Amino acid sequence: AQSVTQPDIHITVSEGASLELRCNYSYGATPYLFWYVQSPGQGLQLLLKYFSGDTLVQGIKGFEAEFKRSQSSFNLRKPSVHWSDAAEYFCAVGALGAAGNKLTFGGGTRVLVKP
Amino acid sequence: DAGITQSPRHKVTETGTPVTLRCHQTENHRYMYWYRQDPGHGLRLIHYSYGVKDTDKGEVSDGYSVSRSKTEDFLLTLESATSSQTSVYFCAIRKGGDAYGYTFGSGTRLTVV
Repeated sequence: AQSVTQPDIHITVSEGASLELRCNYSYGATPYLFWYVQSPGQGLQLLLKYFSGDTLVQGIKGFEAEFKRSQSSFNLRKPSVHWSDAAEYFCAVGALGAAGNKLTFGGGTRVLVKP
Repeated sequence: DAGITQSPRHKVTETGTPVTLRCHQTENHRYMYWYRQDPGHGLRLIHYSYGVKDTDKGEVSDGYSVSRSKTEDFLLTLESATSSQTSVYFCAIRKGGDAYGYTFGSGTRLTVV
């Protein structure tokens, strides 16, 4: 069974500073990997996804993520954080061909942005 | 989110009462999912549907049932609510053929007292 670990529950970053959120997954084959963002009181919005090919994936809002198979990681980065990036971020893994194409989520990382 | 509506948005109910949450879509998507969100656990799958009257269990299905009598509606029922079912519930939809193109609803906050 697949699983996802997000080691950091909270991260505080200054506006304009860089941000990196960690994600480690466990899955026996090539995973489908995702990052979602959730603003307070809202649903989840897809930031980016990795299926295959280039291991550096560009997403919306200036985010990117890098797939590293050797480290079972899919870390999310942003070079310069804006106050509007304060939110909770979820990494998720999907199993190719799994019934229903179900997603398994990590526990989330809450990002606070200091002025 | 456009095309997917959850109701109610908030509900407080008493322990032991039945509760039904509704997910309605206007996208005619084949797949529908119910997740619950709890601090530190992210989202966990309760049940999902892959067509009218076709449903299956997720990882945390105990105490929940679902029904899908028409494409646009997916109902989640707590037969006898317990305090451990206090959570935020999210519905998601996905078009067949789009492997992971999920769209999430805005959630229902349920409090069981």
